[in-house]
Amino acid sequence: NAGVMQNPRHLVRRRGQEARLRCSPMKGHSHVYWYRQLPEEGLKFMVYLQKENIIDESGMPKERFSAEFPKEGPSILRIQQVVRGDSAAYFCASSPRTGPEQYFGPGTRLTVT
Amino acid sequence: GQQLNQSPQSMFIQEGEDVSMNCTSSSIFNTWLWYKQEPGEGPVLLIALYKAGELTSNGRLTAQFGITRKDSFLNISASIPSDVGIYFCAGQETGANSKLTFGKGITLSVRP
Repeated sequence: NAGVMQNPRHLVRRRGQEARLRCSPMKGHSHVYWYRQLPEEGLKFMVYLQKENIIDESGMPKERFSAEFPKEGPSILRIQQVVRGDSAAYFCASSPRTGPEQYFGPGTRLTVT
Repeated sequence: GQQLNQSPQSMFIQEGEDVSMNCTSSSIFNTWLWYKQEPGEGPVLLIALYKAGELTSNGRLTAQFGITRKDSFLNISASIPSDVGIYFCAGQETGANSKLTFGKGITLSVRP
């Protein structure tokens, strides 16, 4: 039973480029969450999605960031016109319909040069 | 916004010792979870707590949900070198399927 999968594991982008981070939830999980982690910090919530719906985006920056979880395929976190301050580890988690436990993927480490 | 406090930032113990970590909040959470993170990896769920006063074990790990619903602790008994890592507490405000609020984590080092 595969866990949460994220790719790429490492992503380097120059300032102004776009970053696309992908997340495939665990089998049977229909809820996806994205979190950001800065060095020596805890994880900060960004957005919570179900299939084709954004449920809570209260942690998402208002500009340049967007997320989707289409009917088919992985969830995508998209960052347009990246800046150095976007450099961080981005984690995706998924949970089953019936429980609060969230299971995390290995993360994508974004470096903006 | 919600904040979870974990201190100290780092703990150093001898192999075989027990260690206890505390997590406190200024507001109430309905679910508490403890995660462990190793370098370059995502957090791994250790224990989930659902009711005030609940005490739950997972091998050498024991965690409790405080009766005020504003705190939780994690105890590791008879530590071993592979216990090294960062331990995060996380709280969930409402029922299932809502965001988690994380503490800043405690880095545990175990001397052989």
